[in-house]
Amino acid sequence: EVRLVESGGGLIQPGGSLRLSCAASGFAVSSSYMTWVRQAPGKGLEWVSVIYSGGRTYYADSVRGRFTISRDMSNNTIYLQMNSLRADDTAMYYCARDNFGEFDYWGQGTLVIVS
Amino acid sequence: DIQLTQSPSSLSASVGDRVTITCRAGQNIYTSLNWYQQKPGKAPKLLIYAASTLHSGLPSRFSGSGSGTDFTLTISSLQPEDFATYYCQQGYSSPRTFGPGTKVDIK
Repeated sequence: EVRLVESGGGLIQPGGSLRLSCAASGFAVSSSYMTWVRQAPGKGLEWVSVIYSGGRTYYADSVRGRFTISRDMSNNTIYLQMNSLRADDTAMYYCARDNFGEFDYWGQGTLVIVS
Repeated sequence: DIQLTQSPSSLSASVGDRVTITCRAGQNIYTSLNWYQQKPGKAPKLLIYAASTLHSGLPSRFSGSGSGTDFTLTISSLQPEDFATYYCQQGYSSPRTFGPGTKVDIK
């Protein structure tokens, strides 16, 4: 069974840093595209970042230079290191598997509040 | 970036109604269009991928159609558990982008 479990969210002051984790089971993150999507309170879905199976990474303009996506294949986990956090980074952060363009499995989300 | 628009932004419907939501892309994305359902406090769930393929285990009252720039999600007979917000998303190119959502609530 495919499962994604996020952790690491919390309350952080502006300018601070946080690292989110997404532990995967039922498939290998090393052979998948893995994505972070966020949702600000009461707002829509915003794609944040992707790490491809080959290791290439891409970021939304709003987080480029501040956020870093990475993976640990031994733990089958992906991470989102978030630095220089701002109030507008406040959101629920979801990890999802990008299966050739569609996000077929999602975690339950982890809430980040920058205040 | 490929922009997606959805209409309507919200609608009120009754159980048993046929509901149609449209999504328009800012450029040709062929059939690289996906639909998600999100209920309050929950993660989105994939409903339809590649414009018209129903994700495994989902009821056949959900269907999708379209290609190019214009797409439609149809719920043939709305059920109580279908009241939610629906998002389209393009998988044609990076960055992946989402539509603004359509909230379906009870009339």
